[in-house]
Amino acid sequence: DAGITQSPRHKVTETGTPVTLRCHQTENHRYMYWYRQDPGHGLRLIHYSYGVKDTDKGEVSDGYSVSRSKTEDFLLTLESATSSQTSVYFCAISVPGELFFGEGSRLTVL
Amino acid sequence: KNEVEQSPQNLTAQEGEFITINCSYSVGISALHWLQQHPGGGIVSLFMLSSGKKKHGRLIATINIQEKHSSLHITASHPRDSAVYICAVMPGAQKLVFGQGTRLTINP
Repeated sequence: DAGITQSPRHKVTETGTPVTLRCHQTENHRYMYWYRQDPGHGLRLIHYSYGVKDTDKGEVSDGYSVSRSKTEDFLLTLESATSSQTSVYFCAISVPGELFFGEGSRLTVL
Repeated sequence: KNEVEQSPQNLTAQEGEFITINCSYSVGISALHWLQQHPGGGIVSLFMLSSGKKKHGRLIATINIQEKHSSLHITASHPRDSAVYICAVMPGAQKLVFGQGTRLTINP
């Protein structure tokens, strides 16, 4: 499973508050991704990283920022959460020939 | 139009039936993944294909690059196969485009 852990697994927050989700891996893989999964939309890419301090936007990046200061951690931040960001967030790692996903983080913004 | 279309969106079958889930895509790709997601659960990679056919237990995945089409087959289906199956294509280096998934229910 590439040693992926996401935290927190569940979070309820209020509109306007900042939220940070953490994806941690134990095997020094280069490529890491954040996706959101919503009914009717499938999985959509928010941001991805191809190395320490190297990140790029995905198709639904508005309202999100990321940071990767260490190979093992990829952080997703919602600077000011909105109800439209209520979703399940998945971190993923890509290695040649395979994909590994974290268990998901369910975020509810009230 | 989505770049990746799966059919059917929902499929209910009886235990033991042969199952086929289809994935069509409109872009050139370097690889295609089939993923499985159980209710409330995480996502697991089943196969990565760039050509031909792969088999793992009761699961078989095929791809036709010229026709931009892939199928996932399940033989002797079982209730534990009930899950959402997701097709994802890789049109460029390290980026994926996902289908919306096929919800499979296998009744005993």
